[in-house]
Amino acid sequence: GAVVSQHPSWVICKSGTSVKIECRSLDFQATTMFWYRQFPKQSLMLMATSNEGSKATYEQGVEKDKFLINHASLTLSTLTVTSAHPEDSSFYICSARAIRPPTTSGGPTDTQYFGPGTRLTVL
Amino acid sequence: GQNIDQPTEMTATEGAIVQINCTYQTSGFNGLFWYQQHAGEAPTFLSYNVLDGLEEKGRFSSFLSRSKGYSYLLLKELQMKDSASYLCAVMDSNYQLIWGAGTKLIIKP
Repeated sequence: GAVVSQHPSWVICKSGTSVKIECRSLDFQATTMFWYRQFPKQSLMLMATSNEGSKATYEQGVEKDKFLINHASLTLSTLTVTSAHPEDSSFYICSARAIRPPTTSGGPTDTQYFGPGTRLTVL
Repeated sequence: GQNIDQPTEMTATEGAIVQINCTYQTSGFNGLFWYQQHAGEAPTFLSYNVLDGLEEKGRFSSFLSRSKGYSYLLLKELQMKDSASYLCAVMDSNYQLIWGAGTKLIIKP
């Protein structure tokens, strides 16, 4: 369980174009999804928190008009990089928040499961 | 402010044991997570601790001391495939994950 997919896996585009990345929770409903960016040899950087049916919350320094986030359903969030430039080239990873009742075997009742990531290269 | 500290890089030998430490200072605590991330891939969930003590899962174990703001991930019988970055993350009072920068583990034959 708790499978998250991302599409596309990689994309190469010209400078100035827009790119849309989809994040889907395949076997659970996610009211909250997160978008991260990771540059080579650096740690994850949270870009924004996406809540179903409401506006995303952006981290400081992330341009909301450049990185458009839409969370239209409980299983789908999209990130659109508008007017992409070479400095936007990065590994974009989404995660979906999974909340489940406690079980006798323990384990987290609230955690994040990651999609496989999208590698964006802007020429 | 909120802070997660873990070593930047560690080196160990195949077949040996390695302990990766993590200390944290966060606004509230709702659990500590360890994720594994291979180069070029997304993180995968490894372990979760919310109560003090040791959680064992095969070759991997994770320990938590809430009073000390401290956790460690213990990897036994190291294999070459364990070469990866290991990320420590704490869920704060708002149920947001606060991430450490990750520890790159290098396994040598």
